Amino acid sequence: SQTIHQWPATLVQPVGSPLSLECTVEGTSNPNLYWYRQAAGRGLQLLFYSIGIGQISSEVPQNLSASRPQDRQFILSSKKLLLSDSGFYLCALGVGYNEQFFGPGTRLTVL
Amino acid sequence: DQQVKQNSPSLSVQEGRISILNCDYTNSMFDYFLWYKKYPAEGPTFLISISSIKDKNEDGRFTVFLNKSAKHLSLHIVPSQPGDSAVYFCAAGNRDDKIIFGKGTRLHILP
Repeated sequence: SQTIHQWPATLVQPVGSPLSLECTVEGTSNPNLYWYRQAAGRGLQLLFYSIGIGQISSEVPQNLSASRPQDRQFILSSKKLLLSDSGFYLCALGVGYNEQFFGPGTRLTVL
Repeated sequence: DQQVKQNSPSLSVQEGRISILNCDYTNSMFDYFLWYKKYPAEGPTFLISISSIKDKNEDGRFTVFLNKSAKHLSLHIVPSQPGDSAVYFCAAGNRDDKIIFGKGTRLHILP
């Protein structure tokens, strides 16, 4: 069965500091992978998606970036965090035709 | 431009009664719709979906109704139980595998 690991589970970072959130998946190969952010009053916002190694599509222009160095690894990064980057970050994997399976999430607080 | 709208941020329902969560969409090209349930500090979990060629799909206590002419769908939970208290996200997608989520509705089941 498919499993998604996200770390860290929680993170508190100062404004202007860098960020690296990691997502790894097990039990599948060549998955479509997604990064979402849930922020207060904003629902689930798709940030990036990837259909394969090195293939990243950005949905929302911002100071975040994503990389897919390996088939089952998806990384969300920032060089300088903003206060508005606070939120709950979710990695998801495409399942079948129309579902997405979500990881446990990372709670990021930028102070 | 919000393509998937959940206009009620919260809803309170008595235990044992019916919960009705509503969702509107603007893009007539969506060919499937999904509902996800999310508890605090956890990733969303898939609940039920419906294809655009159907108008109803039922799974136990959960039924989703689709009205394509009105671009409206709803999730019915009957009878409502305490464990149903969560945030419910409506989502819609098309064949390129991107799913667009609404902002969510927080459901409170009252004892």
